[in-house]
Amino acid sequence: KQEVTQIPAALSVPEGENLVLNCSFTDSAIYNLQWFRQDPGKGLTSLLLIQSSQREQTSGRLNASLDKSSGRSTLYIAASQPGDSATYLCAVNEEYSGAGSYQLTFGKGTKLSVIP
Amino acid sequence: DGGITQSPKYLFRKEGQNVTLSCEQNLNHDAMYWYRQDPGQGLRLIYYSQIVNDFQKGDIAEGYSVSREKKESFPLTVTSAQKNPTAFYLCASSMAGLGSYNEQFFGPGTRLTVL
Repeated sequence: KQEVTQIPAALSVPEGENLVLNCSFTDSAIYNLQWFRQDPGKGLTSLLLIQSSQREQTSGRLNASLDKSSGRSTLYIAASQPGDSATYLCAVNEEYSGAGSYQLTFGKGTKLSVIP
Repeated sequence: DGGITQSPKYLFRKEGQNVTLSCEQNLNHDAMYWYRQDPGQGLRLIYYSQIVNDFQKGDIAEGYSVSREKKESFPLTVTSAQKNPTAFYLCASSMAGLGSYNEQFFGPGTRLTVL
């Protein structure tokens, strides 16, 4: 059974710092990996999706990498801002129950605080 | 605007009652999902549906039921059989049948509290 781990569970950085969030998964037979942002009491916002054949994806100050063979992904946030404070979740997409459907398995998230 | 709506935002239930959470999407997505989120936990899949009139159990389906009579709607009923229903419930949707490219989009969630 797939397990997704995110380290650290919480991170506090001063404004302007570059930072890296880590995600690891136990089964490399994935189709893609998604990074999400969740603000307190809110739903999830999709940040980046990396296909299994890709190495990285970029959106603005965000860059996500994927090393499928080693079961690792990182989310790099450049020049952090207080508005980046949120919980960041990674999820891997894999075939579910061999039924031709594809489901997400989530990590528990990294809670990021950017201090002004 | 295209998106996913969930209602109500907050829901209170007495023990022994069934309650239904609404999820509607206008993204023309075939697949819809229900997740449960508990504090400090990752999201766990309750039920999913790849197509109208068909749905499958996820990892924690006991005590829940769903229906998929319309493409746009996927309501979740939390029954009295669910022993610990207090949680944050999230609905999602995606295109289906496209293999590796099926990004999931989420609604704003419903917080259910049992009194």
